[in-house]
Amino acid sequence: SAVISQKPSRDICQRGTSLTIQCQVDSQVTMMFWYRQQPGQSLTLIATANQGSEATYESGFVIDKFPISRPNLTFSTLTVSNMSPEDSSIYLCSVEGRLYEQYFGPGTRLTVT
Amino acid sequence: AQTVTQSQPEMSVQEAETVTLSCTYDTSESDYYLFWYKQPPSRQMILVIRQEAYKQQNATENRFSVNFQKAAKSFSLKISDSQLGDAAMYFCAYRATLYGGATNKLIFGTGTLLAVQP
Repeated sequence: SAVISQKPSRDICQRGTSLTIQCQVDSQVTMMFWYRQQPGQSLTLIATANQGSEATYESGFVIDKFPISRPNLTFSTLTVSNMSPEDSSIYLCSVEGRLYEQYFGPGTRLTVT
Repeated sequence: AQTVTQSQPEMSVQEAETVTLSCTYDTSESDYYLFWYKQPPSRQMILVIRQEAYKQQNATENRFSVNFQKAAKSFSLKISDSQLGDAAMYFCAYRATLYGGATNKLIFGTGTLLAVQP
């Protein structure tokens, strides 16, 4: 298994600003994933981040809005840019284990006012 | 495209009783993994149980077991001797293996909210 931490755990931001979420893993992993989850709903994949290459974004998500960095095998950041109230959500990072299971961070609860 | 369907938005069970959560999926792949994840209120998503499609034997983890019916593309989760701490949102998920260029994405169902009554 993997232990994942995220910072910040929650934040309240004003519209038009940006927030960078950090994800730290206790072991080296190839792929990291970023998800968005509305309370009480399922997870929506934003992008897959491989170390040393550009992140792969899902339909409906673009790099200008959600830039991702992956500087090494244990760390990644997701930035939510030019925020609007529609960006209020929980953002989770995850990593994949040896048998394709994923381990999730505790999430970042973002509120945009 | 692969899809995962959870037809029970909410379920309720009495403490110490047994409950079964349903999940069906659609895929043309023959090699894949299925998972059940648990997400307690305001808490972290954790893996409950994993099933490999090429294994006919149903996976079991303590009080949690699955009924995997590959031909029917069904993957239900049974929770025995339910406890108050089992109250959570449960997500069924599918992941194809990488053979044949399959996507590396985990496909989630919409979730089932389980309440445990004392």
